Amino acid sequence: GENVEQHPSTLSVQEGDSAVIKCTYSDSASNYFPWYKQELGKGPQLIIDIRSNVGEKKDQRIAVTLNKTAKHFSLHITETQPEDSAVYFCAASGETSYDKVIFGPGTSLSVIP
Amino acid sequence: EAGVVQSPRYKIIEKKQPVAFWCNPISGHNTLYWYLQNLGQGPELLIRYENEEAVDDSQLPKDRFSAERLKGVDSTLKIQPAELGDSAVYLCASSVSWDANNEQFFGPGTRLTVL
Repeated sequence: GENVEQHPSTLSVQEGDSAVIKCTYSDSASNYFPWYKQELGKGPQLIIDIRSNVGEKKDQRIAVTLNKTAKHFSLHITETQPEDSAVYFCAASGETSYDKVIFGPGTSLSVIP
Repeated sequence: EAGVVQSPRYKIIEKKQPVAFWCNPISGHNTLYWYLQNLGQGPELLIRYENEEAVDDSQLPKDRFSAERLKGVDSTLKIQPAELGDSAVYLCASSVSWDANNEQFFGPGTRLTVL
């Protein structure tokens, strides 16, 4: 089955700096890669996703890149703000009704004012 | 529009006691998920419903866990009897349909502590 690894497990950055979180997956058949943000006491919330036919996607200060050959994908947050502090989960999934979304272990991001 | 509603938010019980969690998904969402989230880890799927049918319960420990989704709307997850290792956050999520590419909307979760 699919296995998703995520690094680093914790990340501290100064406000205004960039943050990068990297993930790897094992199943070459995976083709959908969402990123979720989980704030304290809340459930995860989708912030951006990318499909295997796209190498990069950007939404304001957030961007994701995908390297299918290497089975790597990354989340980039620019101009970080204190409200970006949260736990971020990468995930991977196939496209059939039998596929489930497999989450990584999470990265705790702290943005220091 | 209301999000996914879960209750209770917190539950403390002694081991061997039964416990139940309730979830009300977003209106019109046919697919409902129950996830287990251990401290410092990502959510792990326990069971997925398409309307009232459980289509993926391979990760549900069926000796002590059970779930139902009455009339394809609300869902209840039960543990009987609870064990110390069941302490975790139980998340409910819903999506429009089964397509794994559809966004899943998560509730706030129920934090279970088993003493």
